[in-house]
Amino acid sequence: AAGVIQSPRHLIKEKRETATLKCYPIPRHDTVYWYQQGPGQDPQFLISFYEKMQSDKGSIPDRFSAQQFSDYHSELNMSSLELGDSALYFCASSLGREETQYFGPGTRLLVL
Amino acid sequence: AQTVTQSQPEMSVQEAETVTLSCTYDTSENNYYLFWYKQPPSRQMILVIRQEAYKQQNATENRFSVNFQKAAKSFSLKISDSQLGDTAMYFCAFMKHTGTASKLTFGTGTRLQVTL
Repeated sequence: AAGVIQSPRHLIKEKRETATLKCYPIPRHDTVYWYQQGPGQDPQFLISFYEKMQSDKGSIPDRFSAQQFSDYHSELNMSSLELGDSALYFCASSLGREETQYFGPGTRLLVL
Repeated sequence: AQTVTQSQPEMSVQEAETVTLSCTYDTSENNYYLFWYKQPPSRQMILVIRQEAYKQQNATENRFSVNFQKAAKSFSLKISDSQLGDTAMYFCAFMKHTGTASKLTFGTGTRLQVTL
């Protein structure tokens, strides 16, 4: 079965640079979530989209923005990167707003 | 705000044995969902099992079953016939019933080691 696709899988950036993470949900899934998992921590919710509209927002820094496009893929844009942004970023998708979330493999971001 | 507590940071079980992972949560909501996810060394987040709060029957998925006690706000995971591939971090997670694309709130995880 098709899964959530995230790209890139690994990303290395310098401080103050910009990064864009992409997420392609499971086909027919209309809802996308973004989570950040720091080393040794549990995943923390950033933001979610349903039918291309922002649905819920967590502790996402103002330096980050995200959107969901007409084909339901989503992008997380991160600017003015800081060392503390180094983490594993997960995208998850679901078919509907209160359905089970299926996670992608994650993007490992390292900020130097 | 909802909180999820996993009081066992690490557990170990021998292959073929049974192990139970604990999870408690705090919420004022009446309608919600509970999940267990596993995260093996690859760090992929894999769904193990889902429970709707309005269902009294405990969810089961093959060797995995839950003991859901709504009044006690407890949601434990039992793994039967443990296998080496069950070695992973296990996260308990809570999702409110809001009508929006609700977030998952995770516990801090229990690291399970399955040994020979």
